Amino acid sequence: SYALAQPPSVSVAPGQTARIPCGGDNIGSKSVHWYQQKPGQAPVLVVFDDSDRPSGIPDRFSGSNSGNTATLTITRVDAGDEADYYCQLWDNRGDHSWVFGGGTKLTVL
Amino acid sequence: QVRLQESGPGLVKPSETLSLTCNVSSGSIRDFYWGWVRQPPGRGLEWIAYMYFSGTTYYNPTLKSRVTISVDTPANQFYLQLTSVTPADTAVYFCARVWGGSYCDNWGQGTPVTVSS
Repeated sequence: SYALAQPPSVSVAPGQTARIPCGGDNIGSKSVHWYQQKPGQAPVLVVFDDSDRPSGIPDRFSGSNSGNTATLTITRVDAGDEADYYCQLWDNRGDHSWVFGGGTKLTVL
Repeated sequence: QVRLQESGPGLVKPSETLSLTCNVSSGSIRDFYWGWVRQPPGRGLEWIAYMYFSGTTYYNPTLKSRVTISVDTPANQFYLQLTSVTPADTAVYFCARVWGGSYCDNWGQGTPVTVSS
């Protein structure tokens, strides 16, 4: 089955840019979605279809996807961005499964 | 904005069946996909199942033999049943609206379920 790999943690200083990778075999050929989850809360969709943002999500959040890596980029990071981030895709082969990455804890130093 | 609210027992005994309800408000259940995702304590997200409002269902292969997802369109609710539960099924269970069957654009707040005797 298809697998997505995320680093367990990423750290960044306030005001800097955070980049969270999501690796998968030829992931660039698939649509990748990203969720932010703060402790004790439900996930929130922050990027869909590789690089689109839902209404209400700041343009500091952006996504890209090429080759074997999709990336969530957060510019001008602040303390409120500290959270777990999950990538996810829909595998349209076979049983139409969803796949989640293991999640990345973003720490704002 | 559509709102989703999970409900169900917080505690289930091993080998019993877990039944959860997701109530959808401020929007219709028609014309959308709906799904369930769970999160064991301290761990990541795991998809369970999703379905189109008209009845087509999709299941996580690792859970398929124990899971049923269903919908009651007039009641604007959808449901999850998980049979033969074990402590490994202890998790927060989220219901969500699924856009095009691909991603979850609206989530419930989640309901914690503990499997213990």
